[in-house]
Amino acid sequence: AQSVTQLDSHVSVSEGTPVLLRCNYSSSYSPSLFWYVQHPNKGLQLLLKYTSAATLVKGINGFEAEFKKSETSFHLTKPSAHMSDAAEYFCVVVAYTGKLIFGQGTTLQVKP
Amino acid sequence: DVKVTQSSRYLVKRTGEKVFLECVQDMDHENMFWYRQDPGLGLRLIYFSYDVKMKEKGDIPEGYSVSREKKERFSLILESASTNQTSMYLCASSSGDTYNEQFFGPGTRLTVL
Repeated sequence: AQSVTQLDSHVSVSEGTPVLLRCNYSSSYSPSLFWYVQHPNKGLQLLLKYTSAATLVKGINGFEAEFKKSETSFHLTKPSAHMSDAAEYFCVVVAYTGKLIFGQGTTLQVKP
Repeated sequence: DVKVTQSSRYLVKRTGEKVFLECVQDMDHENMFWYRQDPGLGLRLIYFSYDVKMKEKGDIPEGYSVSREKKERFSLILESASTNQTSMYLCASSSGDTYNEQFFGPGTRLTVL
């Protein structure tokens, strides 16, 4: 069965410093993986997706994620945080049935 | 741009009431989904539909039912609302292959008193 674990429920960074949001997955085959972002009072928006092409995936707003099969990880990074990045982030694995399996979410706080 | 709209942003109902949550998408998507979102639990799938009049149970269907009479509209029904159904409800849609991106509505925050 597929599953996904976000290792931090809350991450706090200062504006202009790097962002790292950690995600580990479990899958018996090579999965498709997404990162979604949810700003306050807004719906979820796709940041980026991995579908077995390049292992380094670039997304919107300067975010990127690297698929590491040996570590079963798909961590989300950004070189320099902006105040507008404050939101909740969800790592998602696509199950073999096509359903999306969501992680528990990581709240990113960006301090001025 | 794909647009997914939900009928209410906030809803307050009494225990035992029948509750309808409506979702409409404007991109002719085949697939539609209902999730509930609770702190620390992420999103959990309640029901989904791959076609008109077709429905499949998700991971937590108990206490819910759905209706899809038209391609663009997917309704979630709480037959007899209970306090443990207080939550944020999110609707999503996607095209064709279910490995495609799902587009989400803004959510309905339901409080059952």
